[in-house]
Amino acid sequence: GQNIDQPTEMTATEGAIVQINCTYQTSGFNGLFWYQQHAGEAPTFLSYNVLDGLEEKGRFSSFLSRSKGYSYLLLKELQMKDSASYLCAVRDQTGANNLFFGTGTRLTVIP
Amino acid sequence: EAGVTQFPSHSVIEKGQTVTLRCDPISGHDNLYWYRRVMGKEIKFLLHFVKESKQDESGMPNNRFLAERTGGTYSTLKVQPAELEDSGVYFCASRPQGSGNSPLHFGNGTRLTVT
Repeated sequence: GQNIDQPTEMTATEGAIVQINCTYQTSGFNGLFWYQQHAGEAPTFLSYNVLDGLEEKGRFSSFLSRSKGYSYLLLKELQMKDSASYLCAVRDQTGANNLFFGTGTRLTVIP
Repeated sequence: EAGVTQFPSHSVIEKGQTVTLRCDPISGHDNLYWYRRVMGKEIKFLLHFVKESKQDESGMPNNRFLAERTGGTYSTLKVQPAELEDSGVYFCASRPQGSGNSPLHFGNGTRLTVT
């Protein structure tokens, strides 16, 4: 089966840095995605990692270690609008490359 | 470009009734997916279309759920008869064919409440 774990909730201060971790155990691996989801809205794509290392995109960075089954999303210079749920999703190699999601981490940014 | 659109945004029905959800993917996207999030749980895969063909329907909970994509454009997901445990948010997503590592583009979801 597929198992993807991430913390349920996190709180951080505006202007700070926060790291959201994700560990996974899947039958196959063909990439890891991070999505942001505001309440009542669609999940929106943030980042993609398929090789080990750090991918940087503006204030957001994502890291992957395939040997450890581990990823993190790093958010810098936090803004109030960054309060949202952050979803870790792994694409396997079986079937049609479907995504398996974690339950999401609800991040609250406080002044 | 217009995003993935889903209709309705909310639906409240009684147990035993039928509901049909609709998804319009981004124009030109051959791959269409249905996912569902039950309260407190993770988003889970239901099925995947490539054009009008079902590529993978391993996530469909049972035969009360029927998905179609006639003509390979929009898709419908019908639940008949609905049960209480079917309540949740149903997401549709799409991506182009042969797009390698391109991400899924999600709609806002349909929140289904079965009473």
